[in-house]
Amino acid sequence: GAVVSQHPSRVICKSGTSVKIECRSLDFQATTMFWYRQFPKQSLMLMATSNEGSKATYEQGVEKDKFLINHASLTLSTLTVTSAHPEDSSFYICSARQGADGELFFGEGSRLTVL
Amino acid sequence: KQEVTQIPAALSVPEGENLVLNCSFTDSAIYNLQWFRQDPGKGLTSLLLIQSSQREQTSGRLNASLDKSSGRSTLYIAASQPGDSATYLCEAAGNKLTFGGGTRVLVKP
Repeated sequence: GAVVSQHPSRVICKSGTSVKIECRSLDFQATTMFWYRQFPKQSLMLMATSNEGSKATYEQGVEKDKFLINHASLTLSTLTVTSAHPEDSSFYICSARQGADGELFFGEGSRLTVL
Repeated sequence: KQEVTQIPAALSVPEGENLVLNCSFTDSAIYNLQWFRQDPGKGLTSLLLIQSSQREQTSGRLNASLDKSSGRSTLYIAASQPGDSATYLCEAAGNKLTFGGGTRVLVKP
């Protein structure tokens, strides 16, 4: 099946620094990718929808200047957490859709810890 | 606004028993519904995808049904095994993607 790769899987950073997380679709072109965050023992919260070649659509309450999303190609989307703070510590997961209404495939997730 | 609810939130069964996981959604205007499994600290693994025109999908011990008119989907796992212990999430895909809160499953040996 289709594979989505996410990198890094774990990252620890100091407060005030920026962290970039990459999401790649390895064997298909993904016109749409999605970014989620997940707090412990909670379900996924959709942060934004990333469309190749256009600006991301952010969900209500998600700061677009805080969480920068770039979808520069059909196989790569990046999420940059800018000026990270301890409350940004979370599990971030990306997904990519195969086809306009096809199956979603998820990355393995990236655990961010901000000290 | 779509709301997706999964009941129960947690489930513990002895090995060999069949599992029944429920997912309900408020807006029937979906184009598919997908079931996922999530292991602790890991990403999601797709289990079954049911298109809106379909009534069910089967893969091995897994069977998922979809009833759009009543806003329900059920995931059946036959003859559960300890390796089935995980959190199971359903996701309704309409104009937006909406996830249920998940059902944490523990299968005891």
